[in-house]
Amino acid sequence: QSVLTQPPSVSAAPGQKVTISCSGSSSNIGNNYVSWYQQLPGTAPKLLIYDNNKRPSGIPDRFSGSKSGTSATLGITGLQTGDEADYYCGTWDSVLNAGVFGGGTKLTVL
Amino acid sequence: EVQLLESGGGLVQPGGSLRVSCAASGFTFSNYVVSWVRQAPGKGLEWVSAISSSGSSTYYTDSVKGRFTISRDNSKNTLYLQMNSLTAEDTAIYYCAKLHWGPARYFDYWGQGTLVTVSS
Repeated sequence: QSVLTQPPSVSAAPGQKVTISCSGSSSNIGNNYVSWYQQLPGTAPKLLIYDNNKRPSGIPDRFSGSKSGTSATLGITGLQTGDEADYYCGTWDSVLNAGVFGGGTKLTVL
Repeated sequence: EVQLLESGGGLVQPGGSLRVSCAASGFTFSNYVVSWVRQAPGKGLEWVSAISSSGSSTYYTDSVKGRFTISRDNSKNTLYLQMNSLTAEDTAIYYCAKLHWGPARYFDYWGQGTLVTVSS
């Protein structure tokens, strides 16, 4: 059971928008920054969003992040078939003094 | 270009030991916190351990405390994870990751992973 809660799957058509939620608590999301990772099939995870809403160099602005209270959201617009992947939220838990991840959300672009 | 290259994975019997390594390049290794994250087959990501830039501070997830030891050799730009008393639940791909350690903590670079299989 993951500390952070994500929906197992989401889907949308090419060109559409999708959001992925990540729910936590005051010891993790509520008091720490959230990051998001994209894991394409058969590859290592890649940083997509950090500091709740910042994109590393090379990540298109179709990807966005936000945080409110103990929840965070990843948004992806203009969906492409190449966006099909597993997406994970992550943060630090101040009580556990440990890194924590969500269980991952599989994105299907229909 | 930041590169992290894991090695040392393989098949080990339950109760056995294994050490995995991660060779880093493309950044000043001795200045950064580094970490291990694992992923069981078909499952999600699980943070395992982290070590400070000097090696003086270490952090572990509860399920590996007392069994796993993280260490680093800054002269060799290499991170290690010594795994003892292995069980089937430790079967996973083990990723080495550079951990940004500040008010925000996130994994900004990842290796390709090394597979550890615990089975008789």
